[in-house]
Formats: sequence, C-alpha cells, structure tokens
Amino acid sequence: DIQMTQSPSTLSASVGDRVTITCRASQSVSRLLAWYQQKPGKAPKLLIYKASSLESGAPPRFSGSGSGTEFTLTISSLQPDDFATYYCQQYNSYPWTFGQGAKVEIK
Amino acid sequence: EVQLVESGGGLIQPGGSLRLSCAASGFVVGSNYMAWVRQAPGKGLEWVSILYSDGRTYYADSVKGRFTISRDNSMNTVYLQMNSLRAEDTAVYFCARDRGNGIVGAFDLWGQGTRVTVSS
Repeated sequence: DIQMTQSPSTLSASVGDRVTITCRASQSVSRLLAWYQQKPGKAPKLLIYKASSLESGAPPRFSGSGSGTEFTLTISSLQPDDFATYYCQQYNSYPWTFGQGAKVEIK
Repeated sequence: EVQLVESGGGLIQPGGSLRLSCAASGFVVGSNYMAWVRQAPGKGLEWVSILYSDGRTYYADSVKGRFTISRDNSMNTVYLQMNSLRAEDTAVYFCARDRGNGIVGAFDLWGQGTRVTVSS
C-alpha cells in the first residue's frame, strides 16, 4: 500500500498568513492526488484534484502543486473559515490512501 | 438538490451484520462511481470500497471478504453490507460520489455520515 505522510500534523497560523501543507507519498502517485478540508462533525470537502486543479466552488486562495511523491497545498491568505483539518489522498493505485491529516489552528 | 443521505448505522455486537444505505437525489447513482469512506473516532479518513458504473467493485484489504458494496438503480441507492463486524470497524461511514470526467478517485459529493459502533 502507498503510505501518505503529511507535515506538519498541526500548525498554528493567523488570519492573513500564507500556509503550506506538505504531503509525501511512499512511491510515485503521478499527479493523482486530491486535497480535502474537513471541519469537526462534518463531511470532507474536495478542494483540489489531480494535484493542482481547483474544484468548482473552492476559493481561489487554495492551490495545489507537485507530482510523483511530493505535493503541497497552499492557502495564500488564511481566512477564518479555513481553520480545519486538511487531508491528502492518492488515487493512483488501490487501495486509495489518505494522509493522517494536518490541523490548522488559530494562533 | 444534489445530495447523499446515509442511514442504517447503530450499535452492533462483534460478529454481527449491518447494512448501510446511501440515498442519492439530484443525480443517477448507476451512472456514477460511488464509494464508502470511513473515519474512526478521532482518526483520519480510510477508503473502504468503490462501485464503478459498470459494476466493478474494489475493497480495502481490511474489509475484503466481509463487506459488499451494491446499488439499487430503481431506488437510486447505494448499500454497504457489513458482515463479521469487528471493534475496529467502529467509525462514521461516509458515502461519496466520484467527481467523474475521467480518472476515478476524487470525491466531490459526500453524505453527512452514519455512525457504526461495534461493541458488546
């Protein structure tokens, strides 16, 4: 199975900060990587697919980059609604796997 | 409105069976790829199963042979039959729709989740 490792696991940031979360795969997943946002008690929400494509309805302050084994999710200017946990997910090969999550907290 | 609504969760003893339902509205489940993803209490997300529009199915190793994904096109509903349940199956189970348009695996529509607790 492909292991997905996110870093940091938790980060503290302020409104307006630029935030970057990294996701590393244990083997290449090409560009078949998605990013989700999840708030407590809610379902995940798709932000990015195919590593860098912004999902319809997702704010343009979210962007993704990378290929192969290293990927990043960037929030250009953190907004109050962005405090949440973010997950990466590879869908290059079965079983599809998620990272352990990165929690963005208020500083 | 386009949405997914799960039901069927509850408290079940180890070794028992449960069937989860995911009722779709606003789109046709038979024309989409539909999946189940679970989240154990306080933990991350775990993909469980996918049902392709052509009927192919895939499962996580942790549930293979115990869980079965299926659909009823007339009810526009997807199911997850869970047998031989274990304590480690305790989780919120989400139904999700693949976003389509090519490569399968990114989920653009999720239900609210249904909680399954396996305990004696």
